[in-house]
Amino acid sequence: EDQVTQSPEALRLQEGESSSLNCSYTVSGLRGLFWYRQDPGKGPEFLFTLYSAGEEKEKERLKATLTKKESFLHITAPKPEDSATYLCAVLAVGGSSASKIIFGSGTRLSIRP
Amino acid sequence: DTGVSQDPRHKITKRGQNVTFRCDPISEHNRLYWYRQTLGQGPEFLTYFQNEAQLEKSRLLSDRFSAERPKGSFSTLEIQRTEQGDSAMYLCASSFHSQETQYFGPGTRLLVL
Repeated sequence: EDQVTQSPEALRLQEGESSSLNCSYTVSGLRGLFWYRQDPGKGPEFLFTLYSAGEEKEKERLKATLTKKESFLHITAPKPEDSATYLCAVLAVGGSSASKIIFGSGTRLSIRP
Repeated sequence: DTGVSQDPRHKITKRGQNVTFRCDPISEHNRLYWYRQTLGQGPEFLTYFQNEAQLEKSRLLSDRFSAERPKGSFSTLEIQRTEQGDSAMYLCASSFHSQETQYFGPGTRLLVL
């Protein structure tokens, strides 16, 4: 069964303390992996798309990497405004010509000033 | 570009009532998706349209749920005879057919009393 697992469930960091969030996946056919940021009561905000192992993407303090079994979201010197839930999603091949996206449960990141 | 919009943002209803939600995708996007998200979980795929054709439906989409996209633009999601278990955030996303990235709206939060 296709599955996406994110760890840790919650992470509390001090401002400036760098860390990584993990997303491990098991899918029959991977078409892409996505990272989103979600603030409370709002829809997910797109961050990155990764398509193949070895690929990396960066945006401000965030860097996403992809291997054949997992992805990491590295956050460097985070600020309080980086506090949010970070969602990982995998686009798998499913159905006729359609694709289905499978989300992990997210990592709730809290940055203390 | 105004992004994906959803209406209403919040809905409170009594058990047994019918509710309808609307989603307006990004104008040039021909793919539209509906998801449901409960507290502490990632979004779960419900259904997907390419233009006006509904191409995939999740097993989560019971007979009480119906979605339409009559002219290939906006979409509606109707829930008949609502139950307390239907309480969730209902998210809409859209994408361009040649790109895999999905962009989400702000969501409609449903509370069934």
